[in-house]
Amino acid sequence: NAGVTQTPKFQVLKTGQSMTLQCAQDMNHEYMSWYRQDPGMGLRLIHYSVGAGITDQGEVPNGYNVSRSTTEDFPLRLLSAAPSQTSVYFCASNKDRAGEQYFGPGTRLTVT
Amino acid sequence: RKEVEQDPGPFNVPEGATVAFNCTYSNSASQSFFWYRQDCRKEPKLLMSVYSSGNEDGRFTAQLNRASQYISLLIRDSKLSDSATYLCVVISFQKLVFGTGTRLLVSP
Repeated sequence: NAGVTQTPKFQVLKTGQSMTLQCAQDMNHEYMSWYRQDPGMGLRLIHYSVGAGITDQGEVPNGYNVSRSTTEDFPLRLLSAAPSQTSVYFCASNKDRAGEQYFGPGTRLTVT
Repeated sequence: RKEVEQDPGPFNVPEGATVAFNCTYSNSASQSFFWYRQDCRKEPKLLMSVYSSGNEDGRFTAQLNRASQYISLLIRDSKLSDSATYLCVVISFQKLVFGTGTRLLVSP
C-alpha cells in the first residue's frame, strides 16, 4: 500500500494564480482532511470529508475549495493564490473520525 | 487561552537522559488524546495513544491527568534518533486539535 500520496511536493505560484493540490489514499478510509502547517501555529484544519460526496469546512477554509468524488481522492483547490497561503499543506486520512490519522508527505507551497 | 498548549522548547538533552513533555488542554470534555512525532520537513506520524490509566511503549510512557487537564510524554534513555518535534492531539466531540509541538534535540 502506498498510504497517502500528495503531489506536487513543491510549488511556487504567483499571486492570483490558481492550482490544485492532489491527495490520494489507498486504505479505503472514509475520512480525509487537509491541513496547513505554519511556524508557531501548529496544524490547522482547512477542509475535511467524511465520505465520498460529503465535505465540510474546517478552521481556515477561506480561499480553498475541495471536492470528494471518490473515496480515494480529495483534491484541494486554491482559487486565487495569496502570499498568506504560503505554507506546508498536509493531507490526511483516517478510518475513524477520532482514530489515528495517516498523513501524506506534504506539499510546500510558496506564493510570491 | 489556546485549546491545546505545548512548550515549544527546544529541550536539549544528552543521550541516555530522561525527558518529559506536557501538553495542556482547555476543554474538560475532551475524549481522546494522542502523541505524534514529526521529523524535520516530514509528515507527522502517530507515536502513541494516551489512555486514562497511562500506557507504556518501550522507552515511552504517556499519561493523562484529567483533573489538571494535561497529558504527558516521558522518554527514557534518550537516543539521537529521538530528536524530533512531538505534537499532542486532543479530540473533543470528534474535533481534532493539534498542539504546536515541542522540539527535542538529543546530543551525543
